[in-house]
Amino acid sequence: DGGITQSPKYLFRKEGQNVTLSCEQNLNHDAMYWYRQDPGQGLRLIYYSQIVNDFQKGDIAEGYSVSREKKESFPLTVTSAQKNPTAFYLCASSIRTGLDYGYTFGSGTRLTVV
Amino acid sequence: SQQGEEDPQALSIQEGENATMNCSYKTSINNLQWYRQNSGRGLVHLILIRSNEREKHSGRLRVTLDTSKKSSSLLITASRAADTASYFCATALSGSARQLTFGSGTQLTVLP
Repeated sequence: DGGITQSPKYLFRKEGQNVTLSCEQNLNHDAMYWYRQDPGQGLRLIYYSQIVNDFQKGDIAEGYSVSREKKESFPLTVTSAQKNPTAFYLCASSIRTGLDYGYTFGSGTRLTVV
Repeated sequence: SQQGEEDPQALSIQEGENATMNCSYKTSINNLQWYRQNSGRGLVHLILIRSNEREKHSGRLRVTLDTSKKSSSLLITASRAADTASYFCATALSGSARQLTFGSGTQLTVLP
């Protein structure tokens, strides 16, 4: 079955650590996105990528980094510079960044700072 | 900044009743989309309505769009307990923006 896989489902980070969240898709989608969701809130865009080796900052990119070395993969690193990283992180993809396409989402990674 | 805002924030109805959720937005859009999220899960795309469309149906879902009022509504008819979830509207802005902006959602509870 085609879809997006996020791993791990739960992640715990100590203060000062960098952690990387995995996002893999086998839908042959060009565009991929990372969103952050806080309790009772909507989604806020962290980074997005339209093609391999290219990505753009979203609304809340500070303290995060991404790479897009392969079409299928768009990992997100939460760095120690992100002061409040506890949140639910959602990865999504779309056929391309044209505006008439819906997004397919992964099942999310819940990150907690301990 | 939030482009779309859903209303109400929470809605509780009995099974079999209809549920209506509203979304307002601020700037011109290319299309508006509705998504559903079960607790602790990812979002699922429900329906997309383009700016030149006024109404769209998909099964028990009916979406309307009023671009003059910058608002949309999602109607779920004959609701079921399994419809319990959060529902989000997302807007694709006209112009150069190439990503969706999501509202804060409506939490729907359907009581059996």
